[in-house]
Amino acid sequence: GIQVEQSPPDLILQEGANSTLRCNFSDSVNNLQWFHQNPWGQLINLFYIPSGTKQNGRLSATTVATERYSLLYISSSQTTDSGVYFCGRGGGADGLTFGKGTHLIIQP
Amino acid sequence: GAVVSQHPSRVICKSGTSVKIECRSLDFQATTMFWYRQFPKQSLMLMATSNEGSKATYEQGVEKDKFLINHASLTLSTLTVTSAHPEDSSFYICSARDRDGNTEAFFGQGTRLTVV
Repeated sequence: GIQVEQSPPDLILQEGANSTLRCNFSDSVNNLQWFHQNPWGQLINLFYIPSGTKQNGRLSATTVATERYSLLYISSSQTTDSGVYFCGRGGGADGLTFGKGTHLIIQP
Repeated sequence: GAVVSQHPSRVICKSGTSVKIECRSLDFQATTMFWYRQFPKQSLMLMATSNEGSKATYEQGVEKDKFLINHASLTLSTLTVTSAHPEDSSFYICSARDRDGNTEAFFGQGTRLTVV
């Protein structure tokens, strides 16, 4: 089946540091999304990025569909950035296949 | 972005009872909705695809008689966990797309089910 792998599984940084989260997927993609899961479980949409590059404030994302990976960049990390980040890949009309997530901890 | 509302956010029920979870698209019509399940500290797993006016499509290993899905309108899908047992305790979350051809998914707030 389709596989989605995220790395690193855990990341601990000091406030102000930059970070790069990676998502590799095993098949072609119609949909690639990045989410931040808050402490209550809700998935916050960060980026819808099946290809190309997008930026939103301190966050940016790049997907290289031909090489089957996507990157999420967080600059000048804040403690409120802590949490679990998921990427989800979709192939069309199907639901998303999620990676196992990156657990990010930003220490003050 | 499109808004998806899920209710209830948290429910505790006794073993053997059934629990219904609602997923509504508030500002758009969703012909397709999706139901996911997440165990503690794990990823989200797709359970089923809910299609308006037709039967749901279940992923391999998901019991369709245990997890009843009804998509009676373009704005509402329901998941009923029947004869719940403690092992059904989990976080359930739905998603929807705001129109055909747009593959971006929007998620509800999720429902934390505890079966005692």
